[in-house]
Amino acid sequence: GAVVSQHPSWVICKSGTSVKIECRSLDFQATTMFWYRQFPKQSLMLMATSNEGSKATYEQGVEKDKFLINHASLTLSTLTVTSAHPEDSSFYICSAREGGQRETQYFGPGTRLLVL
Amino acid sequence: GQNIDQPTEMTATEGAIVQINCTYQTSGFNGLFWYQQHAGEAPTFLSYNVLDGLEEKGRFSSFLSRSKGYSYLLLKELQMKDSASYLCAAMDSNYQLIWGAGTKLIIKP
Repeated sequence: GAVVSQHPSWVICKSGTSVKIECRSLDFQATTMFWYRQFPKQSLMLMATSNEGSKATYEQGVEKDKFLINHASLTLSTLTVTSAHPEDSSFYICSAREGGQRETQYFGPGTRLLVL
Repeated sequence: GQNIDQPTEMTATEGAIVQINCTYQTSGFNGLFWYQQHAGEAPTFLSYNVLDGLEEKGRFSSFLSRSKGYSYLLLKELQMKDSASYLCAAMDSNYQLIWGAGTKLIIKP
């Protein structure tokens, strides 16, 4: 089956540093990748949608300059949280969709970010 | 606007049956998804309905009524490992998923 990996699974950093999270589709080509954020006891919140080779589409309220998304290849998307602050501490989950399969999203295992 | 409603929390007994309801309002509709999410983990896919009716998959079944904007997830023969949050998500006309807040299911022995 389709597998999506995320790296790292856990990251603890100091306030003001930048953190990069990778999302990879291991056995399929992901033309579209989605980045979600989930705070404790809340549902998934879509942050942005990225299509390979083009700029990401950000949801309302999500700062483009703070959450940099790059989808340079059909198997890799990265989310960089720039100048992270404690309020950015959250569970970040990516999902990937194969070209032509618009109904199906495969989720990565998530990355837990703790900013001290 | 787009909206998904599902109960915040439900409790059931091991071996019993539980039904988790979900109502949705979306701009266009391309299907209704149910996901299971254990604490600290990413969601895992359970079911997808796009046509009216009941889809059965082992102990789990999912029902959809498009005219009513309503779906439910039915879990039979509950096991302790079924304790998790169950997320309802509707896909809109742009093929974007609109997520509910999730129903935390607590299974008691």
